[in-house]
Amino acid sequence: EAQVTQNPRYLITVTGKKLTVTCSQNMNHEYMSWYRQDPGLGLRQIYYSMNVEVTDKGDVPEGYKVSRKEKRNFPLILESPSPNQTSLYFCASSWGGAYNSPLHFGNGTRLTVT
Amino acid sequence: DAKTTQPTSMDCAEGRAANLPCNHSTISGNEYVYWYRQIHSQGPQYIIHGLKNNETNEMASLIITEDRKSSTLILPHATLRDTAVYYCIVRVANTDKLIFGTGTRLQVFP
Repeated sequence: EAQVTQNPRYLITVTGKKLTVTCSQNMNHEYMSWYRQDPGLGLRQIYYSMNVEVTDKGDVPEGYKVSRKEKRNFPLILESPSPNQTSLYFCASSWGGAYNSPLHFGNGTRLTVT
Repeated sequence: DAKTTQPTSMDCAEGRAANLPCNHSTISGNEYVYWYRQIHSQGPQYIIHGLKNNETNEMASLIITEDRKSSTLILPHATLRDTAVYYCIVRVANTDKLIFGTGTRLQVFP
């Protein structure tokens, strides 16, 4: 089944403890992206990647890192999480550039930083 | 930036057509209009997209005005399961960044 898989679904951590949220897609998509969703703010893009070893900042990249060493994986790294990064996170992928093909979203990761 | 404006919320009776409007007055000539929906806190689900012409698929129809400054998503026979937040988005010119607004919360009632 074609899908975008995020892990974990839920994560509670403490301030400053490095964490990684994994994202994997099995559709051979070139484009992958991370979003965070907060009440009243909708979905905001964190980082995106057009292909392997190519990443770019979205609207809210501060405090996050990403890597794209393989086409199928696009992990989101929080080196030193802070409470303002408590949010619902979504990974998405699409064939080619995002503007001309639909995004497929994962089921989300709910992160709480205390 | 190509931004979108949508009403915050709308209601629709079950079985009737739901017409969700979107304004995107700064859209560029090569930018597509996409519609997604999100049920509860699940990942957004793709519905339909278009550039200039009207589009229809098994889920919905998309009507884009001739000047492309606005569009309407039509759910022809709304059901209770169509209750969701609907997002209209366009691509930021010359990038692959997508801007999601806060969407329209559609409530379908019996």
